[in-house]
Amino acid sequence: AQSVTQPDIHITVSEGASLELRCNYSYGATPYLFWYVQSPGQGLQLLLKYFSGDTLVQGIKGFEAEFKRSQSSFNLRKPSVHWSDAAEYFCAVGAHGTNAGKSTFGDGTTLTVKP
Amino acid sequence: GAVVSQHPSWVICKSGTSVKIECRSLDFQATTMFWYRQFPKQSLMLMATSNEGSKATYEQGVEKDKFLINHASLTLSTLTVTSAHPEDSSFYICSAPGPGGGELFFGEGSRLTVL
Repeated sequence: AQSVTQPDIHITVSEGASLELRCNYSYGATPYLFWYVQSPGQGLQLLLKYFSGDTLVQGIKGFEAEFKRSQSSFNLRKPSVHWSDAAEYFCAVGAHGTNAGKSTFGDGTTLTVKP
Repeated sequence: GAVVSQHPSWVICKSGTSVKIECRSLDFQATTMFWYRQFPKQSLMLMATSNEGSKATYEQGVEKDKFLINHASLTLSTLTVTSAHPEDSSFYICSAPGPGGGELFFGEGSRLTVL
């Protein structure tokens, strides 16, 4: 069975500091991996995805993530955090195409940005 | 990019009444849509897969008669919470695979409060 673990429930960083959100997954085959961001009271927006190829993927809003098969990880990074990045972040693993909705989501990491 | 819209964004109803939530793909066709439930500070829980022109597929533990799903057209899926009770209060989100099939697009979510 597939699963996703986001070890950090809540992270606080200062504006301008670097950020890394951790994600570990369990999946029986080559995984499709996603990072989503959710602002309060809103739906989810895709930040980036990994299907194959280059293990360092670039996303929107200056985010990037690196797929490390040996560590079963897909950590999200940003060099310099902006106050508007404060939100809930979800890592997801699994399906693609019409079954994408069956992806398994992590429990999320809440990001707080200090001025 | 593809846009998925939900309506209403929030609804308050009395216990025992039914509430309908709409999920529309605005600029693409979606033969499949997904409905999730999200409790505060928790991840998304897939409730069901909505299939255009056929019956929805419900996840284990989700009551089919409580949560009626209708996917009447290629751009519209509806979720009806029947005989709602306070424990049905939650944030409901829909999603659809985009035209390329590579990612999900989420609606803005619908906050249901049952008094």
